[in-house]
Amino acid sequence: SAVISQKPSRDICQRGTSLTIQCQVDSQVTMMFWYRQQPGQSLTLIATANQGSEATYESGFVIDKFPISRPNLTFSTLTVSNMSPEDSSIYLCSVPGGRDGGLNEQFFGPGTRLTVL
Amino acid sequence: ILNVEQSPQSLHVQEGDSTNFTCSFPSSNFYALHWYRWETAKSPEALFVMTLNGDEKKKGRISATLNTKEGYSYLYIKGSQPEDSATYLCAFPKSSGDKLTFGTGTRLAVRP
Repeated sequence: SAVISQKPSRDICQRGTSLTIQCQVDSQVTMMFWYRQQPGQSLTLIATANQGSEATYESGFVIDKFPISRPNLTFSTLTVSNMSPEDSSIYLCSVPGGRDGGLNEQFFGPGTRLTVL
Repeated sequence: ILNVEQSPQSLHVQEGDSTNFTCSFPSSNFYALHWYRWETAKSPEALFVMTLNGDEKKKGRISATLNTKEGYSYLYIKGSQPEDSATYLCAFPKSSGDKLTFGTGTRLAVRP
């Protein structure tokens, strides 16, 4: 199993500003995932953060809007840039529970609840 | 079915009632099906990862079945308790990779 912490747990921000969310894992992992859940929507994968290489973004998400850092095997940050009210969401990081993430559960952080005014 | 769909969206039951909800997913190229429970202000927590057609898994009062040929899974809760109140998510990995496609969840509220 993995224990994951996130900072901040919640924030209220003004439009046009940026917020950086931190994700810390208690063990070394190769892959980390960043998800968001907009109100009334499903959890949607933003990107996969790999240590030592650039993040891989899903369709509809771009690096300029959601830059990601992965400086080591236990830590990652996601920045939500130039925020608008549509960015109000819960942001979660997660790690796979085994080598084949499809067959193993994922472990999630407690989430960051972001409100953009 | 192109994506993962869950029904109902929300459910209100009385303590002691048994309940169930559905997850529908693409039946072609099936790899696995995940169930998670997400309580407010907490981390989503894995309940089951299911891979075999006809499989049934159980954890306490919660159980799940899987039909990969028709593309659905049922989650059952026997004798619901207030602490079962949460959003129940199912998720579908598209391949052997780690990326999960989630449904919108079923929000369960259990009244004491």
